Amino acid sequence: AQSVTQPDIHITVSEGASLELRCNYSYGATPYLFWYVQSPGQGLQLLLKYFSGDTLVQGIKGFEAEFKRSQSSFNLRKPSVHWSDAAEYFCAVVSLTGGGNKLTFGTGTQLKVEL
Amino acid sequence: SQTIHQWPATLVQPVGSPLSLECTVEGTSNPNLYWYRQAAGRGLQLLFYSIGIDQISSEVPQNLSASRPQDRQFILSSKKLLLSDSGFYLCAWAGVNYGYTFGSGTRLTVV
Repeated sequence: AQSVTQPDIHITVSEGASLELRCNYSYGATPYLFWYVQSPGQGLQLLLKYFSGDTLVQGIKGFEAEFKRSQSSFNLRKPSVHWSDAAEYFCAVVSLTGGGNKLTFGTGTQLKVEL
Repeated sequence: SQTIHQWPATLVQPVGSPLSLECTVEGTSNPNLYWYRQAAGRGLQLLFYSIGIDQISSEVPQNLSASRPQDRQFILSSKKLLLSDSGFYLCAWAGVNYGYTFGSGTRLTVV
């Protein structure tokens, strides 16, 4: 079965510093991968997605992610973090089933930004 | 454009009471619809998904049920709530290219 692992539960970075959030997936075929962000008490907003093609994907809010098949990873990066980036981040993978597709999430990484 | 509405935003219910959470989608037809639950520190767990009217698949055996009486309406229900049903419930729909859009969520507290 497909799964996603986010090994870091909490990460703290200083404003202006670079950020990398880790995501590892387990999936037999080519995965469809996503990163979502959730502010407290809110729904989820899509940051970026990877289906195929260029392994470096650009998203909204200055985020990017790189798909590395050899490492089964899809890490999220941002060169310079802003205080407003403090939120919870979820990596997810779509599995294609006969009756529809299902999005499976990792357990999330809580990002704290120090001013 | 497509929008998704979910209500209520917050709900406090006593143990043993019934539950009905509603989700509606606008601007699309025949979407795949999903209910997720987010418990503290446990990520998002898929509860139910639906590929069409009256076609519901359950992912996790539990105290909840789902129904889809209309193409763009998805309802999460319970006959008798348990304390363990507390959490943040999110409805989502999936369009072409597996673009998932989430509602704003319902915070359910069972007391």
